[in-house]
Amino acid sequence: KNEVEQSPQNLTAQEGEFITINCSYSVGISALHWLQQHPGGGIVSLFMLSSGKKKHGRLIATINIQEKHSSLHITASHPRDSAVYICAVISNTGNQFYFGTGTSLTVIP
Amino acid sequence: GAGVSQSPRYKVAKRGQDVALRCDPISGHVSLFWYQQALGQGPEFLTYFQNEAQLDKSGLPSDRFFAERPEGSVSTLKIQRTQQEDSAVYLCASSLVGTGNQPQHFGDGTRLSIL
Repeated sequence: KNEVEQSPQNLTAQEGEFITINCSYSVGISALHWLQQHPGGGIVSLFMLSSGKKKHGRLIATINIQEKHSSLHITASHPRDSAVYICAVISNTGNQFYFGTGTSLTVIP
Repeated sequence: GAGVSQSPRYKVAKRGQDVALRCDPISGHVSLFWYQQALGQGPEFLTYFQNEAQLDKSGLPSDRFFAERPEGSVSTLKIQRTQQEDSAVYLCASSLVGTGNQPQHFGDGTRLSIL
């Protein structure tokens, strides 16, 4: 059983397209993270959310606690956005982190 | 730099050997996490420290896995009698205080290959 499900698994987009990656989770959470992982393993934390919406540059993250769903949007996508995007949640019953399997994004020039 | 540093970056070992993976968290970060990431999968939680105390080790897959953080800073993940299924990237992350409500800073990971 996966506590965190992401969709799509793979996504190819043309440069400039608007991109949406979805995350659904089944546990009660204290926070949700969106992470970016480039080839070679380095992980960068993009957002940490517990409610509402956050924006940083061309990236927007939203969360709906009632529906247990979050989305990551990339506006005006660029080839440098190509990476794996991972959704992770922290349960509200302890220190457990649950990770999605990631969405592999390729943006074509 | 001032980020989380992991060493070695790559480790190749023969089945049955013991390995030790090191994590230097960001200075002053109280919380430290270890994750295992198999190829094509998301990271999976292994263990969590708050200072030198190992508060959660529920993710360690077997008693061959052992982690320590004796002085509340550097941490070592040790795997004894390695097996091929231990091959993965081992990620370390640290955060300033507490767990869920603090952003985590990740190291680049140690890619472990067991032959």
